[in-house]
Amino acid sequence: DAKTTQPPSMDCAEGRAANLPCNHSTISGNEYVYWYRQIHSQGPQYIIHGLKNNETNEMASLIITEDRKSSTLILPHATLRDTAVYYCIVKDFGNEKLTFGTGTRLTIIP
Amino acid sequence: DTAVSQTPKYLVTQMGNDKSIKCEQNLGHDTMYWYKQDSKKFLKIMFSYNNKELIINETVPNRFSPKSPDKAHLNLHINSLELGDSAVYFCASSQDVTSGAWGEQFFGPGTRLTVL
Repeated sequence: DAKTTQPPSMDCAEGRAANLPCNHSTISGNEYVYWYRQIHSQGPQYIIHGLKNNETNEMASLIITEDRKSSTLILPHATLRDTAVYYCIVKDFGNEKLTFGTGTRLTIIP
Repeated sequence: DTAVSQTPKYLVTQMGNDKSIKCEQNLGHDTMYWYKQDSKKFLKIMFSYNNKELIINETVPNRFSPKSPDKAHLNLHINSLELGDSAVYFCASSQDVTSGAWGEQFFGPGTRLTVL
């Protein structure tokens, strides 16, 4: 019952920017967009979150469209260590429940 | 200086046995979680505890019983193990957003449970 749609897989060349799209057309006004990733055999790792403004941290940038129905996670200079499954999750800010979908398997190509 | 730790990392056991998985966090967080990731890689929340009180229970069979002796620990006990319980179990923790935190969850390394 994930509220997001992501492509199942993507490839990106090492050193290039990886742009991962996410559709969340039913997002409500108080719901945030969160991104997590899961590197093989490890626990998920928080990347970034946002409400309506674009956000940037040391790991990535998050671009949210003006209507908030979609967003893009950008890894500016992808490395081999960025190969992982990336999950886009929509939830209320104070809601502890993370609902993971199937995510996007991102493969960084040397 | 591990933030969220789980023991054991691997657990292989027979059907019908009872087993426990332990989780500890040293981040001072108020909320802890258990997630299950099945063979198809679907990751689903099972339980959440806030300050030792159960706040999320996602229709998990009664054979699964979480126990939180203090807010730094959340253990998962499973009775009468079944083949379908084979999965990777992840523990996580987060700080309450009421304290000004972002609420991001920090996950442990996982416990791979195999029921034979």
